[in-house]
Amino acid sequence: GENVEQHPSTLSVQEGDSAVIKCTYSDSASNYFPWYKQELGKRPQLIIDIRSNVGEKKDQRIAVTLNKTAKHFSLHITETQPEDSAVYFCAASMGYQKVTFGTGTKLQVIP
Amino acid sequence: DGGITQSPKYLFRKEGQNVTLSCEQNLNHDAMYWYRQDPGQGLRLIYYSQIVNDFQKGDIAEGYSVSREKKESFPLTVTSAQKNPTAFYLCASNQGSTYEQYFGPGTRLTVT
Repeated sequence: GENVEQHPSTLSVQEGDSAVIKCTYSDSASNYFPWYKQELGKRPQLIIDIRSNVGEKKDQRIAVTLNKTAKHFSLHITETQPEDSAVYFCAASMGYQKVTFGTGTKLQVIP
Repeated sequence: DGGITQSPKYLFRKEGQNVTLSCEQNLNHDAMYWYRQDPGQGLRLIYYSQIVNDFQKGDIAEGYSVSREKKESFPLTVTSAQKNPTAFYLCASNQGSTYEQYFGPGTRLTVT
């Protein structure tokens, strides 16, 4: 089955700096790569996703890149703010079913 | 919070007892999922269901059981066979056209 590895497990950045979280996946058949943000005590929520037919997607301060050949994808957050502090999960799936999640990255933005 | 609900928020049980966690959605989604969340281990899939009266095992199904008698409901039973049941349990649902999974608020189960 699919295996998703996520790094780093913790990340501290100064407010205004950029943050990058990287994930690799094992199943070349995976074609959907979402990123979820989970604030403390709350449910995970989708922040951005990418499908395998595109290499990059942006939404304001966040962007995701995908390298299908290398089987890795990354989340980029620019101009970080304290409210960006949360746990971020990457995931991979073939279609909309049986999503495999990474182990999470705890991001701390220091004011 | 509408959409997908889980109850109760906190649940305490004695070892050896079965316990059922509730998950209900009013999003008209076909697919529903149960995940277990432990510190440092992300979200691990327990069971999922694509349609009523059908479900498949996920990566860590041992010691758990589910049913899907109605489209809106996907209860999870944690049986006494689950060796380490204390965890945070999340239910989710989605539709094939949009892929995005919508999560419930979770149930924190503590077994002593």
